[in-house]
Amino acid sequence: DGGITQSPKYLFRKEGQNVTLSCEQNLNHDAMYWYRQDPGQGLRLIYYSQIVNDFQKGDIAEGYSVSREKKESFPLTVTSAQKNPTAFYLCASKRDVGRETQYFGPGTRLLVL
Amino acid sequence: GNSVTQMEGPVTLSEEAFLTINCTYTATGYPSLFWYVQYPGEGLQLLLKATKADDKGSNKGFEATYRKETTSFHLEKGSVQVSDSAVYFCALISSGSARQLTFGSGTQLTVLP
Repeated sequence: DGGITQSPKYLFRKEGQNVTLSCEQNLNHDAMYWYRQDPGQGLRLIYYSQIVNDFQKGDIAEGYSVSREKKESFPLTVTSAQKNPTAFYLCASKRDVGRETQYFGPGTRLLVL
Repeated sequence: GNSVTQMEGPVTLSEEAFLTINCTYTATGYPSLFWYVQYPGEGLQLLLKATKADDKGSNKGFEATYRKETTSFHLEKGSVQVSDSAVYFCALISSGSARQLTFGSGTQLTVLP
């Protein structure tokens, strides 16, 4: 089945630790996105990538980093510089940079110990 | 810039009631409009979309019509079910800023039996 997978479903971070959230898609989509969702809130864009080896900051990039070494993969690292990382993280992708439909993965919930 | 304004929730309805969730937008260029649904603990699923003025998107009994004259894309369903309880997000992507979706803040719907 084609789709977007995110792992793990739940992730725990200790103080001062970097953690990496995985996002993989087999839809052959060019563009990929990371969003953060806080309880009762809408979605805020962290980073996006339109093509392999290229990515741009979104609205709340501070404390996060990404890479796009392969078309199908767009991992997000939450660094120790992100002081309030507890949130639900959603990965999304779409076919190209036009007005195409964006599809979402099931999400990863990050909790701080 | 682009923006989406959604009816604030939460909305609580009895089963078989009529649902309307209002959504208005401002956009540069010619936007495509979307409704996404999020069930508890899950990612966003595309519910329906419309890509040009006067288009009607429909799915699972939900409908929304792209009204350019009123810049609106209200979501409606004639008879809601308990299983429709979720958060609903209105979103747009425009030809003037096709790289990312602009989301509304979401509307929580609870349907009581």
